[in-house]
Amino acid sequence: EVQLVQSGAEVKTPGESLKISCKGVGYTFSSYWIGWVRQMPGKGLEWMGIIYPGDSDTKYSPSFQGQVTMSVDKSISTAYLQWNSLKASDTAVYYCATCPEGAYQYLDVWGKGTTVTVSS
Amino acid sequence: DIQMTQSPSSLSASARDRVTITCRASQSIGSYLNWYQQKPGEAPNLLIFAASILQGGVPSRFSGSGSETDFTLTISSLQPEDVAIYYCQQSYSTPHTFGQGTQVEIK
Repeated sequence: EVQLVQSGAEVKTPGESLKISCKGVGYTFSSYWIGWVRQMPGKGLEWMGIIYPGDSDTKYSPSFQGQVTMSVDKSISTAYLQWNSLKASDTAVYYCATCPEGAYQYLDVWGKGTTVTVSS
Repeated sequence: DIQMTQSPSSLSASARDRVTITCRASQSIGSYLNWYQQKPGEAPNLLIFAASILQGGVPSRFSGSGSETDFTLTISSLQPEDVAIYYCQQSYSTPHTFGQGTQVEIK
């Protein structure tokens, strides 16, 4: 069974750095794009970008370009989403999700989400 | 970016009613349109991709139609377990923008 296992909730103060993870289980990690989606409290879904683990090809939404960094470690089938300096407005649930093999037109298997709280 | 606009923002219907949600794209997107369901406290779940293809395991009461700029998600007979927020998403060009969501409730 294909699963994405996301890291646990984080509580950070503004200015801190953070790296959350998303581990792929039960499939060939390198062959499937992984997308990241933000959901701020009480709000809708926002597409942040996608990364192809095979060659780390990445497509960012302009809204998130320069604000976050997506990366992967193929050796441990894990994708990451990283911030260098968190802001209160980064408080949200962050979901990772896989796309169908070789394509990135939709997100078909989702992780349970990582809640990030940024507060002074 | 392509803007996606859903209507209505919320609706309340009786069990076994037929429910229709519409999604309009700010430019033509062919059939690159997906629908997701998000139940309270859960991650989103893919219902339909490529405008009309039902994802495996999704009940057949869900269906999708449309092309170019206008799309529809239909629930043929609303069930209590369908209470959720429904989102459309275009995947014609990055960023793959979502609509603002439609909250579906049972009367």
